[in-house]
Amino acid sequence: EPEVTQTPSHQVTQMGQEVILRCVPISNHLYFYWYRQILGQKVEFLVSFYNNEISEKSEIFDDQFSVERPDGSNFTLKIRSTKLEDSAMYFCASRPRLAGGRSQQYFGPGTRLTVL
Amino acid sequence: ILNVEQSPQSLHVQEGDSTNFTCSFPSSNFYALHWYRWETAKSPEALFVMTLNGDEKKKGRISATLNTKEGYSYLYIKGSQPEDSATYLCAFMGGNYGGSQGNLIFGKGTKLSVKP
Repeated sequence: EPEVTQTPSHQVTQMGQEVILRCVPISNHLYFYWYRQILGQKVEFLVSFYNNEISEKSEIFDDQFSVERPDGSNFTLKIRSTKLEDSAMYFCASRPRLAGGRSQQYFGPGTRLTVL
Repeated sequence: ILNVEQSPQSLHVQEGDSTNFTCSFPSSNFYALHWYRWETAKSPEALFVMTLNGDEKKKGRISATLNTKEGYSYLYIKGSQPEDSATYLCAFMGGNYGGSQGNLIFGKGTKLSVKP
């Protein structure tokens, strides 16, 4: 069964460094998402992406964050200058072209980002 | 601010026990309610997507009900097994996001442990 994959599974970085988290969504999916979960807190929406542009973003997704679908298969989240509070599990998700909430989202296993 | 609450936070049961959890969500601008099952180190996996008031869905020993007027959903597990041990997440989607975005607002989850 097709699945969403994410790399790396764990990334450790120094504060102020740039990181790129990578995701390969399911191949025929059209909508892509990034969520994150800070330890002990709720999973939070960051950004949604459709037709090569951002559809919606949360307040968390400030100028330090960007997303890209560079080659039609990968979907990346870049954090330009990481802060300690960016430490979290980052999940990528994708879904096919069914009406908004009536389609499940398919999640990757997550990338645990640790900022030192 | 839209808030989704789940209770209990954690639950320890014996194999064979039946159990249920609650998800509370805003009763206005409802579009869909998702339930996910999340095992440690794995991808969150969709159990149900519920869209209509009064919806009841079932998958094996797991079932869910939905009351959009009062803003709650119940997840039931009949005859719990050790392999049911996981965190169960509910996620709300409001009507304002029912188009191409589909971003989810998650509860904190209920962590279920089933002892053999």
